[in-house]
Amino acid sequence: QVQLVESGGGVVQPGRSLRLSCVASGFTFSNFGMHWARQAPGKGLEWVAVLWSDGSNENYADSVNGRFNISRDNSRNTLYLQMNSLRPEDTAVYYCARAFCSGGSCVNILDHWGQGTAVTVSS
Amino acid sequence: DIQLTQSPSFLSASVGDRVTITCRASQGASTYLAWYQQKLGKAPNLLIYAASTLQSGVPARFSGSGSGTEFTLTISSLQPEDFATYYCQQLNSYPLTFGGGTKVNIK
Repeated sequence: QVQLVESGGGVVQPGRSLRLSCVASGFTFSNFGMHWARQAPGKGLEWVAVLWSDGSNENYADSVNGRFNISRDNSRNTLYLQMNSLRPEDTAVYYCARAFCSGGSCVNILDHWGQGTAVTVSS
Repeated sequence: DIQLTQSPSFLSASVGDRVTITCRASQGASTYLAWYQQKLGKAPNLLIYAASTLQSGVPARFSGSGSGTEFTLTISSLQPEDFATYYCQQLNSYPLTFGGGTKVNIK
């Protein structure tokens, strides 16, 4: 079955960096676009970034554009989120999620989610 | 950016009730809309995509409708396991956006 396991969260000071990882299993990772989304404590969901299967197309939320970078290593079935210049408002649980694909075509529907990794930005 | 406004934000209902949640978009989203269910402390779960297509494995009591700027999620007969928070999400354009959520509580 599809499994997505995030790691790399923790407590970090404002202005510092952190890299999150998401290891995928149960499907052909290289065929699927992948997303990061987040949820601040007690708040709703916020989409963060997407990277398509071959790494050719990426897009970011305005709130993280220029500070975060999404990447992937298809040989390791792993998705990454490099987070730089972290701010207190980046405090959240970060989820990786798979894009919905059917018949070779993928769309920005998040059909499987990991359990999340918590990031706290605080001095 | 397309803003999504869900209503109500909270609702209290009983087992067996019919429940309807509305999601309004600030711009037309065609049928590029999905619905997710999130239980406390868990990751979201995809319920419906393309506004009205039920995701595999999701009970038939869930249904979705709408297009353009107004969408609805309906639970025909609320079950105990349906008490959760529900989110809509548009995929018509970047940045992808979610609605603020509707929390369904037990009356």
